[in-house]
This record gives sequence, C-alpha cells and structure tokens, in this order.
Amino acid sequence: DGGITQSPKYLFRKEGQNVTLSCEQNLNHDAMYWYRQDPGQGLRLIYYSQIVNDFQKGDIAEGYSVSREKKESFPLTVTSAQKNPTAFYLCASSILIRKGYGYTFGSGTRLTVV
Amino acid sequence: AQKVTQAQTEISVVEKEDVTLDCVYETRDTTYYLFWYKQPPSGELVFLIRRNSFDEQNEISGRYSWNFQKSTSSFNFTITASQVVDSAVYFCALSDPNNFNKFYFGSGTKLNVKP
Repeated sequence: DGGITQSPKYLFRKEGQNVTLSCEQNLNHDAMYWYRQDPGQGLRLIYYSQIVNDFQKGDIAEGYSVSREKKESFPLTVTSAQKNPTAFYLCASSILIRKGYGYTFGSGTRLTVV
Repeated sequence: AQKVTQAQTEISVVEKEDVTLDCVYETRDTTYYLFWYKQPPSGELVFLIRRNSFDEQNEISGRYSWNFQKSTSSFNFTITASQVVDSAVYFCALSDPNNFNKFYFGSGTKLNVKP
C-alpha cells in the first residue's frame, strides 16, 4: 500500500544533541513537507520541498535542517540550536498540481527533550 | 495575510447528537482552497474535504456535511448523529495564494463523543 512512513514514532533527545527524523513516501509525490504541532496549536510549516535537491524554509525553520537527495525521502534534523524542540512532528506529501489537492500525512514522530 | 480561526477549543457531546465545528478564515485572495482534516488519537491527519473558492455549494457525505459561506468567510463542518469513533481533533486549513500546495492550519477543535 502507498503511504508515508515516519520513524521513529517516539524520540528522546538530550539537550545539545542533534536528532534526525525520517520521512519516506512511496506515493510518487513531488512535494514533501514538515510540520510541527504543539498542544492546542495548529500545524506550523518548518520546511518544504517541491523537487529533489531543492527546499524552502517555512514559517519556523530556525533550528532545523532538511535534505532532499531522493524523491522518496525528506529527513528533518532538529539541531541543538532549536531551543524548544519538544513537539509532535508531521511529515506530508502532495502532488505538485496547481489545484490544491491537499496532503497525505504520515503518522508523526513525538520528540521529547530530556 | 492568511489566517484560519477555530474558536472552539474543545467540544463534548453525547453519542447521536449533532455537532457543528466552526471555521472562519481570512484572505485577500479570490482564488483559494479550504480543507478539513481529522486527527484521531493515532496522530495521522486524515483528509476529509477540499473546497475551492468558486464553489459555494454545500456538500454532504454520509453523516458529514459542510457549509461554505464566502459572505461570512466561514467553512463550517457538521457531524450528524455523532459516534464515539468521531472523537478526534479536527483541523480547518486554507491554501497559500502563491503556492496551492502550502496551507495555513487553524488551531484545531477537539471533539469528544461520549457513549
């Protein structure tokens, strides 16, 4: 079945460490996205990529980095520069058609700083 | 600027009651898309509906219905005869005018349906 796989489901990070969240899709979607969700808040866009080897900052990119070396993969690194990384991270993908088809989401990674 | 407001933080109903989730949006653009997503406890957001700004027809899908009114910039979602499985957080979203693949999400409404 086609879909988006995020791993791990739960991740614990010590302060000062970088961690990488994995996102893989087999939907042949061109665009991929990373969103952050905090309790009681909507989703906020971190980074997005519309083609391989290209990506753009979203609304809260500081302290995060991404790469898009393959169409299927869009990993997110939470760096030590991110001051408040504890959150639920959602990866999504979409067709790149100018008609607003919407996203397919992964099941998320819950990151906790310990 | 694009903005989506879901004023209802949390709603609790008893099974079989009808419930309406409100969504008010702000945009200066004439062409845009609105969405509703459901987030069950498992965490994954599930697409429910997409509506473009030129189509104000209301839509019904089983127990779900959507009322889009451009005059009041609202896109409300009604669940008829609610069920326990409807318990989830529901998000309304608005497309970015320059990139239809980028969206702005409301803060979500948590719906609790009690047996």
